[in-house]
Amino acid sequence: DGGITQSPKYLFRKEGQNVTLSCEQNLNHDAMYWYRQDPGQGLRLIYYSQIVNDFQKGDIAEGYSVSREKKESFPLTVTSAQKNPTAFYLCASSIGDRDRPGYTFGSGTRLTVV
Amino acid sequence: AQSVTQLGSHVSVSEGALVLLRCNYSSSVPPYLFWYVQYPNQGLQLLLKYTSAATLVKGINGFEAEFKKSETSFHLTKPSAHMSDAAEYFCAVKNAGNMLTFGGGTRLMVKP
Repeated sequence: DGGITQSPKYLFRKEGQNVTLSCEQNLNHDAMYWYRQDPGQGLRLIYYSQIVNDFQKGDIAEGYSVSREKKESFPLTVTSAQKNPTAFYLCASSIGDRDRPGYTFGSGTRLTVV
Repeated sequence: AQSVTQLGSHVSVSEGALVLLRCNYSSSVPPYLFWYVQYPNQGLQLLLKYTSAATLVKGINGFEAEFKKSETSFHLTKPSAHMSDAAEYFCAVKNAGNMLTFGGGTRLMVKP
C-alpha cells in the first residue's frame, strides 16, 4: 500500500546538534510539506516543495533546511540555529492536481532536546 | 488567501450525545474544504472533503459535514459520540498552488 513514512518516530537531540528527519512517500505525489505542531498552536508550515529540486520557505523556516533531490524524499534538517526545536513534526504530500486537492500525512516524528 | 476559523479550541460531550464542531471559511469563490482528525502522537487522517459536488458530505466513522454558503460554514457533526472519537479535529481550505490552510484545531473530549 502506498503512503508516507516518517522516521524515526522519536528523536532526541543535544543542544547544538543538527538532526535530520526523514520523510519518504511512494504515492507518486508531486508536492511535499513539513509542518511543526506545538501544543495548542495547530499546524505551522516550515517548508514545502511542489517539484523536485525546488522548495519554498513556509511561515517558520528559520533554523530549518530541506532538500528535494528525489520525488519520493523530502528530508528536514533541524539545525542548531533553531532555538526551540522540541515539537511534533509532520510531513505531508499531495498529488499537485488542483482538481484532486488534499494532503496525505505521515505519522510524525517527535523531537525532544535533551 | 482563504482561511478557516474553528470556534472552540476544546469541546466536551457525553458519550452518545451529538458532536458539533464548528468551522467557518472566508472565501469569495466556492472553496474546497476538508476535515481531518488527529489521534495522539499520530498524523492527520482525512475524515471528509467538500469539492462542490454535494452540500452534505459523508465521511468516515459516522461523521458528516454540511456546506452552507449563506453562513460560510462547514460544521462537522456526528449523531452519537463514542469514546473513540476523542481526538483533535482540523478544518482546512484549499488555497493557490493546491496548498491547504488549516484552522487552529478543536480538541474533542468524550465523557463516559
